[in-house]
Amino acid sequence: DAKTTQPPSMDCAEGRAANLPCNHSTISGNEYVYWYRQIHSQGPQYIIHGLKNNETNEMASLIITEDRKSSTLILPHATLRDTAVYYCIVKAGANSKLTFGKGITLSVRP
Amino acid sequence: DTAVSQTPKYLVTQMGNDKSIKCEQNLGHDTMYWYKQDSKKFLKIMFSYNNKELIINETVPNRFSPKSPDKAHLNLHINSLELGDSAVYFCASSSLDGPDNQPQHFGDGTRLSIL
Repeated sequence: DAKTTQPPSMDCAEGRAANLPCNHSTISGNEYVYWYRQIHSQGPQYIIHGLKNNETNEMASLIITEDRKSSTLILPHATLRDTAVYYCIVKAGANSKLTFGKGITLSVRP
Repeated sequence: DTAVSQTPKYLVTQMGNDKSIKCEQNLGHDTMYWYKQDSKKFLKIMFSYNNKELIINETVPNRFSPKSPDKAHLNLHINSLELGDSAVYFCASSSLDGPDNQPQHFGDGTRLSIL
């Protein structure tokens, strides 16, 4: 079972920041927070991950609360191509599984 | 140059047939995975191989048999196909060497339809 909860859907306007929330209140100390997305008819795509510090890469930023019980994925300037299902996943060591939940459907409107 | 490639992309076949799906990765990863995404869009892991050794085997019917001839390939053979096997099957790879937080890279999926 997924150890995260996400709203089922959200939308944002093209060019604006998209802030996608995720709750993981039972996260363990050795578990990372991962974000993947799945654009229609494609395979899941890795976006970003973090342990406790905020992280940023060319795709997005990940903000993790100090107690690590929740996080927010930020797409700074959403485009129509960012419309997808976004999955927030907590995962421990190398041999542990990626367990996908229902994710959040982000719709970017023109 | 696709990192994780699956063939075929589409597979339509009759119930009861045996079929294989192939997966190859050119990322130099040592671990490969098979996932199944059903009609309700839930994505679940089926198998994982590390250096050709099975390390994850979820509750999957034994009609499904993964085969890893080398680290770069993980094929999925399915015997006696059933209607419920209709789904999209995704292959993925990652590296278990180094930091234990390496992300998985996915292929674009094989869409299996059973008639």
